[in-house]
Amino acid sequence: EPEVTQTPSHQVTQMGQEVILRCVPISNHLYFYWYRQILGQKVEFLVSFYNNEISEKSEIFDDQFSVERPDGSNFTLKIRSTKLEDSAMYFCASSEGRTGQEKLFFGSGTQLSVL
Amino acid sequence: AQKITQTQPGMFVQEKEAVTLDCTYDTSDPSYGLFWYKQPSSGEMIFLIYQGSYDQQNATEGRYSLNFQKARKSANLVISASQLGDSAMYFCAMWGLYSSASKIIFGSGTRLSIRP
Repeated sequence: EPEVTQTPSHQVTQMGQEVILRCVPISNHLYFYWYRQILGQKVEFLVSFYNNEISEKSEIFDDQFSVERPDGSNFTLKIRSTKLEDSAMYFCASSEGRTGQEKLFFGSGTQLSVL
Repeated sequence: AQKITQTQPGMFVQEKEAVTLDCTYDTSDPSYGLFWYKQPSSGEMIFLIYQGSYDQQNATEGRYSLNFQKARKSANLVISASQLGDSAMYFCAMWGLYSSASKIIFGSGTRLSIRP
């Protein structure tokens, strides 16, 4: 079965540094998402992306965050100046159509640790 | 606004028994969908089952079924004949036509442990 690929699986960074988390969604999917999960807590929506623009974003997704689809295959999440509270598992997901009847396929996640 | 509630933070079940994981929701959207995802200790999110609000029959996928009671706003997951590999976190999630048209929102999860 096709899958969403995320790299790296683990990322350690110093507070204040920029990080870029990378994702390769499933090739025929048109909708892309980032979620995060702080250890032991619920999975939180960050942003959805369609047709090269943000469809929706949460309150968490402030000016420190940005997303980009730099080419036909990659989908990236950038955190400009990381904070300790950004430490979490970050999941990329994609869906063939607009979610509602389309299930989201999730990647295996990137565990971000901010020191 | 939408809300998903999972009231069971943890459950223990004997292997081969059936188990029901509770999920209630609140929405004013006329059309919505409900999902269940499994998160094993390795961390990935695995889709299990989907129920649309206008679906006439309860969804089933192998050993998973969704007990959808629209009037009660509940969408419980039933796992028949549980296996050791079913030990994981289980998340209920929903989509709403107006409230969350471009995303799904998750409940807080239930940690299921299967005893041999």
